Amino acid sequence: AQKVTQTQTSISVMEKTTVTMDCVYETQDSSYFLFWYKQTASGEIVFLIRQDSYKKENATVGHYSLNFQKPKSSIGLIITATQIEDSAVYFCAMREGATGYQNFYFGKGTSLTVIP
Amino acid sequence: DMKVTQMPRYLIKRMGENVLLECGQDMSHETMYWYRQDPGLGLQLIYISYDVDSNSEGDIPKGYRVSRKKREHFSLILDSAKTNQTSVYFCASSLRGNQDTQYFGPGTRLLVL
Repeated sequence: AQKVTQTQTSISVMEKTTVTMDCVYETQDSSYFLFWYKQTASGEIVFLIRQDSYKKENATVGHYSLNFQKPKSSIGLIITATQIEDSAVYFCAMREGATGYQNFYFGKGTSLTVIP
Repeated sequence: DMKVTQMPRYLIKRMGENVLLECGQDMSHETMYWYRQDPGLGLQLIYISYDVDSNSEGDIPKGYRVSRKKREHFSLILDSAKTNQTSVYFCASSLRGNQDTQYFGPGTRLLVL
């Protein structure tokens, strides 16, 4: 079974608007970490932002923020004031907290197109 | 400057040939990963290495093997490549702590004819 699911295959938004990308996950661990990555058209994959499961505050980095809804096992990525260069594929990932187990589980990605 | 490198970036091989993909990192990360990425399938984990000579199969290890003799280098080997191994291969590394992110290499685009 898929541990991390991104149901939106692709999204298009107008430049300077706000977009939310959805991600739900499954885990039995009480402690886990959630990540979002961006893959540009050149193929480069870069880390954007992380949410620790034990933190109630939503993480924010620049114009990226997260909507962490723990009871729903949901971690949405919010991009405000979108720019053309935000056009990319966005991956959600989870790393469970069990000692010694260091696998990352990835969703299949959401392709974002920002329209000028 | 933290970096993960991959060589070669592009490779064309014939079916049945051996393939060696190399990955290096300069961050002294204990853990390294090999993934393949195919359209619509996202990133699929092939192998994970926890440190030198400490490797574990990922989700799709069949047809692949790995070697890690130095902490900074992690190789992916395809013995007798198959056409269905045509893909983009990504190497990544991370610190051991579960709160730590992965850093990805630029990818190797492999075409097996």
